[in-house]
Amino acid sequence: DTGVSQDPRHKITKRGQNVTFRCDPISEHNRLYWYRQTLGQGPEFLTYFQNEAQLEKSRLLSDRFSAERPKGSFSTLEIQRTEQGDSAMYLCASSTQTSGTYNEQFFGPGTRLTVL
Amino acid sequence: AQSVSQHNHHVILSEAASLELGCNYSYGGTVNLFWYVQYPGQHLQLLLKYFSGDPLVKGIKGFEAEFIKSKFSFNLRKPSVQWSDTAEYFCAVNPRKLIFGQGTELSVKP
Repeated sequence: DTGVSQDPRHKITKRGQNVTFRCDPISEHNRLYWYRQTLGQGPEFLTYFQNEAQLEKSRLLSDRFSAERPKGSFSTLEIQRTEQGDSAMYLCASSTQTSGTYNEQFFGPGTRLTVL
Repeated sequence: AQSVSQHNHHVILSEAASLELGCNYSYGGTVNLFWYVQYPGQHLQLLLKYFSGDPLVKGIKGFEAEFIKSKFSFNLRKPSVQWSDTAEYFCAVNPRKLIFGQGTELSVKP
């Protein structure tokens, strides 16, 4: 399967713990996006990378959230000191990027986080 | 602020009925518009997209959407739904990253 993969698929943690999620994009895609989706809502943009550079971060991304893409391939999203309000599905997407052209984002299956 | 609004949260139809899901967006610049679908247990998939040109775009599985610039709308249509169309449908606009509506859950009764 050459699609976007995410690990783990499910994570249950206690309030105050740190969690880290991983996303492996489609191999030739240089753009990688993170979104968060809560029940009954559409996905909300969190951040995106072009290669290893983090180009934009949403105001939703508090100081407890950090994302990296160190070699321009896979990415990690870490949440420190989790809160119950962090419970959500965390989605990763990837795309190619050609100057002046939008390219389709392909989504992974998501990581469902439950904070107890 | 950029936003996308979907008119219906939950739509229930019988098979062979026609479908129209409303989507309105608020964005000042040139927009790219999308409909994504999420079937039960599966991840988001692109249904169709509009970048420029013919405002009537056709997507997969018999879906189509019409971009009406004057109404800031991009409604999704299908003339005859099937049970397998049961899913959640999301309208989205992209300046650089996708801004989604809240989604419409479609239930098709066999």
